[in-house]
Amino acid sequence: RKEVEQDPGPFNVPEGATVAFNCTYSNSASQSFFWYRQDCRKEPKLLMSVYSSGNEDGRFTAQLNRASQYISLLIRDSKLSDSATYLCVVSRFDRGSTLGRLYFGRGTQLTVWP
Amino acid sequence: SQTIHQWPATLVQPVGSPLSLECTVEGTSNPNLYWYRQAAGRGLQLLFYSVGIGQISSEVPQNLSASRPQDRQFILSSKKLLLSDSGFYLCASTITRGGRPYEQYFGPGTRLTVT
Repeated sequence: RKEVEQDPGPFNVPEGATVAFNCTYSNSASQSFFWYRQDCRKEPKLLMSVYSSGNEDGRFTAQLNRASQYISLLIRDSKLSDSATYLCVVSRFDRGSTLGRLYFGRGTQLTVWP
Repeated sequence: SQTIHQWPATLVQPVGSPLSLECTVEGTSNPNLYWYRQAAGRGLQLLFYSVGIGQISSEVPQNLSASRPQDRQFILSSKKLLLSDSGFYLCASTITRGGRPYEQYFGPGTRLTVT
């Protein structure tokens, strides 16, 4: 079973739309959670961390449900510049290790059209 | 904040040729460093990670190797490239704070095409 599973999309939405991405993770020992954004042919960049209480950054809202091992990202009022691939990421220390490992989903592709 | 440099940005190499990709990190000390590969249309595959100078762990057996000669330098090498080595190679750095693994920051990547 994959560590992190995401709907690959693609999601094609008009400007101004609200779009939601979901992700599940398999290891309950996961400690930290993130959403990354990756533009075409570029490196992934941290979009936001995800906290248990849920958190918001402008038009972006992230939620975490530890009991269900489920993470979500909501984008409101979509902009053309939001077009990218969104990666769901979980992090933990592997057993017996002090090294933080990140586990990446395959990403969900979003295209916002005018 | 930390900055990660990678070079070259783009590389075209024939099958059987050697490879050396370099990554350097600024703005932090004693980071954990990682090499990832992303094949076209695929997810990120962890290749190597390092917790300190001379300490390398391999995730996937292959014809690649890594070295960490200095605290903030990480090198990915191969003696003989294969066609399947083509991809987008990313160096990443992370720190641990408060006993929790923290977010990773990525360099701009090297796009390798093996012909």
